[in-house]
Amino acid sequence: EVQLLESGGGLVQPGGSLRLSCAASGFTLSSYAMNWVRQSPGKGLEWVSTISGSGLNTYTADSVKGRFIISRDNSKNTLYLQMNSLRAEDTALYFCAKDLGGPAPSPHGMNVWGQGTTVTVSS
Amino acid sequence: SYEVTQPPSVPVSAGQTATIPCSGDKLGDKYVSWYQQKSGQSPVLVIYQDNKRPSGIPERFSGSNSGNTATLTISGAQTMDEADYYCQAWDSGTAVVFGGGTKLTVL
Repeated sequence: EVQLLESGGGLVQPGGSLRLSCAASGFTLSSYAMNWVRQSPGKGLEWVSTISGSGLNTYTADSVKGRFIISRDNSKNTLYLQMNSLRAEDTALYFCAKDLGGPAPSPHGMNVWGQGTTVTVSS
Repeated sequence: SYEVTQPPSVPVSAGQTATIPCSGDKLGDKYVSWYQQKSGQSPVLVIYQDNKRPSGIPERFSGSNSGNTATLTISGAQTMDEADYYCQAWDSGTAVVFGGGTKLTVL
């Protein structure tokens, strides 16, 4: 069964850092681009970042550019999101999601989602 | 940056057809995906590449995309279809962009 399991969320003070992980199982991680998407309480989905299957190409939303870094370790079947200089507006449920198309980021959507991990930025 | 817009809510009577629009500049030139998110759950892909259904998605879900508007159609809406629906496009400059979401209420 194809599954994604996020971890690493928690409570952090403004200006702090967190690293989220997403463990993949049931498929070959390197064969697919991967995404992070977040959802603030009571709000809609917001794309955060995308990484190609090889890890060589990344795309990041303007709202987090320069603060968040997406990466992956295909040998460990794990996707990461390093979050620095966190702000109150980064408080959200963070999902990892598998690209439908293949190793290159595609316009074809995200067909597998994890349950999410909650990040709360507050003093 | 590229943006797509959805109405906040769409009501539909049970058994009737629901249409949820998603608008953006020349959206018809891009591929659009649609996601269903029920309360407290993760999103589920229901339409990709404008009009394709992933395996396991009922045939009553269909999609179209032309001009500046993509549309998700749910034929014979059921109470189980009550959820938030998000359109998503890919733009070469912005990468992934989501609409603000539409709450479908089945009356």
